[in-house]
Amino acid sequence: EAEVAQSPRYKITEKSQAVAFWCDPISGHATLYWYRQILGQGPELLVQFQDESVVDDSQLPKDRFSAERLKGVDSTLKIQPAELGDSAMYLCASSLDQGAYNEQFFGPGTRLTVL
Amino acid sequence: QKEVEQNSGPLSVPEGAIASLNCTYSDRVSQSFFWYRQYSGKSPELIMSIYSNGDKEDGRFTAQLNKASQYVSLLIRDSQPSDSATYLCAPSPSGAGSYQLTFGKGTKLSVIP
Repeated sequence: EAEVAQSPRYKITEKSQAVAFWCDPISGHATLYWYRQILGQGPELLVQFQDESVVDDSQLPKDRFSAERLKGVDSTLKIQPAELGDSAMYLCASSLDQGAYNEQFFGPGTRLTVL
Repeated sequence: QKEVEQNSGPLSVPEGAIASLNCTYSDRVSQSFFWYRQYSGKSPELIMSIYSNGDKEDGRFTAQLNKASQYVSLLIRDSQPSDSATYLCAPSPSGAGSYQLTFGKGTKLSVIP
């Protein structure tokens, strides 16, 4: 069964350190999303890619967060430096294409704890 | 500011009963609506999509959409303890550009054996 892959599943780091998360979408999915979910809240979009291009990064804190999808397949999300408030679940999702009717499928997520 | 409102719960129902989960949204141009189930500590899992006014049934799940009232609901028939989870409502806008989902905070459902 096709699934979105993410690694690592858990990450503990100290504040001011750099962290990176990796995502491999479902094969053939052109659209990739990174979400952040704080406990008790719904996921919030950080960045959306269509192939290798950024479609929406309006909610990405660009002073410390960066994301890339160089070959239009897998993607990396980086935080540098990490802050205490970054502790959350980071979720990657993919869809066949962009558009309101395209279903998004989530990977297992990366649980980040910043100490 | 696009808003999605859900009763945070917890909603407790006995095993075998019907669970009714409700969601209202503020963005009138939303065209598609998704329900996700999220177990504690896990990622969201898509369980239903609905695009047209009316009802859509899939097994024990029925999604209901009323765009005029900006209201979407999820009914779970014959609720099972394994249905205990948080249910997230997520409308998607139409038009060009980002089709990001706007998630509600979710309703926590507890099915009591």
